[in-house]
Amino acid sequence: QSALTQPASVSGSPGQSITISCTGTSSDVGGYNYVSWYQQHPGKAPKLMIYEVSNRPSGVSNRFSGSKSGNTASLTISGLQAEDEADYYCSSYTSSSPVVFGGGTKLTVL
Amino acid sequence: QVQLQESGPGLVKPSQTLSLTCTVSGGSISSGGYYWSWIRQHPGKGLEWIGYIYYSGSTYYNPSLKSRVTISVDTSKNQFSLKLSSVTAADTAVYYCARVNPTLRIYWGQGTLVTVSS
Repeated sequence: QSALTQPASVSGSPGQSITISCTGTSSDVGGYNYVSWYQQHPGKAPKLMIYEVSNRPSGVSNRFSGSKSGNTASLTISGLQAEDEADYYCSSYTSSSPVVFGGGTKLTVL
Repeated sequence: QVQLQESGPGLVKPSQTLSLTCTVSGGSISSGGYYWSWIRQHPGKGLEWIGYIYYSGSTYYNPSLKSRVTISVDTSKNQFSLKLSSVTAADTAVYYCARVNPTLRIYWGQGTLVTVSS
């Protein structure tokens, strides 16, 4: 199973908005609305930020939002804060196996 | 709120079998509806799905690891386990146990680092 494609890194200044993309195929991202996003701080376990493309779990800031167009899903963080600096991973259901992950994106808050 | 905790040796010799257990609290594995999973992360790298087990015992394994992986469940102890045989240095990673719902909401344990070295 091939990993979903994410940019290796993105950056933004406090208060700005950034978007992280996650590109797959019609067999995963494009074919199902089961895309999730995870935030991982160094030395910590990943934390669920978005599920089913655009839903936020209880307790996750509304500065985090998700969307999907075709085979590409996106995570947008608005009003960037220093605490948002972390690695972000997308995941999707696939027709060939339950889950495939993206390669991860390092977000730097300048 | 469900919590998951991994346990097991942090150091395994090459060619031996890596064994980890995940203890689930705050929820019953037997209640169904979730896929009890193992996921690993090589140092400084991304996430790799190892496999899952349903409370009934049905399993799915990543094809790239299938020949070496066994995941089992002990509902009486509310635990599930991972065995990975014939390990090499390439199996050095942080291993996470996780609860996955059918729409792929993953809740993770804290993770445990397993180093393969003689």
